[in-house]
Amino acid sequence: KQEVTQIPAALSVPEGENLVLNCSFTDSAIYNLQWFRQDPGKGLTSLLLIQSSQREQTSGRLNASLDKSSGRSTLYIAASQPGDSATYLCAVDHLDSSYKLIFGSGTRLLVRP
Amino acid sequence: ETGVTQSPTHLIKTRGQQVTLRCSSQSGHNTVSWYQQALGQGPQFIFQYYREEENGRGNFPPRFSGLQFPNYSSELNVNALELDDSALYLCASSHASSGPSTDTQYFGPGTRLTVL
Repeated sequence: KQEVTQIPAALSVPEGENLVLNCSFTDSAIYNLQWFRQDPGKGLTSLLLIQSSQREQTSGRLNASLDKSSGRSTLYIAASQPGDSATYLCAVDHLDSSYKLIFGSGTRLLVRP
Repeated sequence: ETGVTQSPTHLIKTRGQQVTLRCSSQSGHNTVSWYQQALGQGPQFIFQYYREEENGRGNFPPRFSGLQFPNYSSELNVNALELDDSALYLCASSHASSGPSTDTQYFGPGTRLTVL
């Protein structure tokens, strides 16, 4: 059974700091891995999608890496801003059921001005 | 702005009642998935519909049911509500040209259901 874990559960950093969020999954047979952002009480916004054949994806100040063999992904946020404060969720799409996403519990990020 | 809308925004029901939640997919999308997100947790997959047929189901009892209509809007129905059904319910739509997948799913803002 695929399980997704995100560490840390919460993170507070001063504005301008670079930071790394971690995601691990137990079964490397994935179709893709996605990172989402969720503001309080809101829906999910897709940030980055990494196909299983890829190693990383970049969008602006965000960079996500994928190491399938070790079951790990990281989301790197450069020069953090207060507007980056949100919950960040990673999710994997397992090869045996390429129609559902399996989510971690998220990392709650607070960027202090 | 993803173009996926959900209604209602908030809903309060009592135990044992039935509820219907609605999702309007982004134009051109033929696949919709429903997720349940309890407070402080990640979303849990309920089921997915592809071209009006159920295409997979998570670990949810039969009292959770759904429909997808020809215009690709969708409903989630929950019967015999329990306190643990209190959660944010999210729908996500996508376009699949050759079978359903999770590529580029667009999530709606969710419906917050409270069961008393």
